Amino acid sequence: GAVVSQHPSWVICKSGTSVKIECRSLDFQATTMFWYRQFPKQSLMLMATSNEGSKATYEQGVEKDKFLINHASLTLSTLTVTSAHPEDSSFYICSASFGASSRGTQYFGPGTRLLVL
Amino acid sequence: SQKIEQNSEALNIQEGKTATLTCNYTNYSPAYLQWYRQDPGRGPVFLLLIRENEKEKRKERLKVTFDTTLKQSLFHITASQPADSATYLCALEDSNYQLIWGAGTKLIIKP
Repeated sequence: GAVVSQHPSWVICKSGTSVKIECRSLDFQATTMFWYRQFPKQSLMLMATSNEGSKATYEQGVEKDKFLINHASLTLSTLTVTSAHPEDSSFYICSASFGASSRGTQYFGPGTRLLVL
Repeated sequence: SQKIEQNSEALNIQEGKTATLTCNYTNYSPAYLQWYRQDPGRGPVFLLLIRENEKEKRKERLKVTFDTTLKQSLFHITASQPADSATYLCALEDSNYQLIWGAGTKLIIKP
């Protein structure tokens, strides 16, 4: 149980285009979903926390207008990287939890590798 | 400042031996600490959670200890196998109930 999927797993795009990444909880209702980015050999960096039906809470330094998060249902959250640039190339991972905050175990998706040319 | 530290150098262990990974933290008083496994190009997978009032937790070949005085958690894999090779992340909850992540330690089990 507690399976989280992400789509796509890999995306290559041109600079200036927008990319949408989907995160789905397949067998449970996720009250809270989290979006992380991870650079090679570095720690997970929390970008934002989203609760179903409300606006996402962004971490300091993360541009909310650049990284649009929508959590429309208890099983789906999307991250849109708008006007992507090469520095946005990274590994983006979502996770979901049962609770209303980041308390407790998080179940991670397989990640999406974004390469912006 | 608040920090969570894991050994950044890869840990090489001979198959069959016990691997021990360390997670140290400063300026936190976490209610619990978690360990995850991450394979290359994949998202982390939850392994174990240990609460502040628990000294030790076990799951099959895995054992986690939590010393709130030393501000340290140790993660042990007994009878290690090449399939245990991965990066292991520790994470703890801060005062705002957010999970804070270590950078992980890469474990290599040699046959």
